[in-house]
Amino acid sequence: NAGVTQTPKFQVLKTGQSMTLQCAQDMNHNSMYWYRQDPGMGLRLIYYSASEGTTDKGEVPNGYNVSRLNKREFSLRLESAAPSQTSVYFCASRTGTHNSPLHFGNGTRLTVT
Amino acid sequence: EDKVVQSPLSLVVHEGDTVTLNCSYEVTNFRSLLWYKQEKKAPTFLFMLTSSGIEKKSGRLSSILDKKELFSILNITATQTGDSAVYLCAGNSGNTPLVFGKGTRLSVIA
Repeated sequence: NAGVTQTPKFQVLKTGQSMTLQCAQDMNHNSMYWYRQDPGMGLRLIYYSASEGTTDKGEVPNGYNVSRLNKREFSLRLESAAPSQTSVYFCASRTGTHNSPLHFGNGTRLTVT
Repeated sequence: EDKVVQSPLSLVVHEGDTVTLNCSYEVTNFRSLLWYKQEKKAPTFLFMLTSSGIEKKSGRLSSILDKKELFSILNITATQTGDSAVYLCAGNSGNTPLVFGKGTRLSVIA
């Protein structure tokens, strides 16, 4: 009963390094999302994919790219990490029907030095 | 622009107290209001409210929606230290992403 699985759980990067955060869901959900969570800022949407083959920008997309690899997997890439990207990143998914709740992964804590 | 505002931002209560958390929303094509509880890790789903005046209840937690006044409340009775968490509410318009409030941090002290 895995639900939404994110890897890695923790990561430390130096400024300018790149990395990809992985997310997979086994609930056959159509829609997948990437959020970042910072103290006092709540959850902010970075990118989302309403269905396989589509991606859209959210509130804070700058500095990130995404790939909806297939229906199960949605990755988030930082091409050149900056200290401002230090945050906790959450992946989430839902069926995509009008009244379906989001299911979250356990998050990735990223520190950029 | 859609927005969700939660109040208070933080709250400290003693075990046994009853608390009310507030959530007001302005969401285009509103369909439902969702509540989540976030402890150390991922937010976990509590309630989804779609109709005004119908209370959703789970143990000591209950929630209700007022679609005329555009708000929802989450009540927790007989609070316990395990209720300490950040409570998030989110507005749902259907096919677009949920709009989250910034959360209310509840601390329950023994």
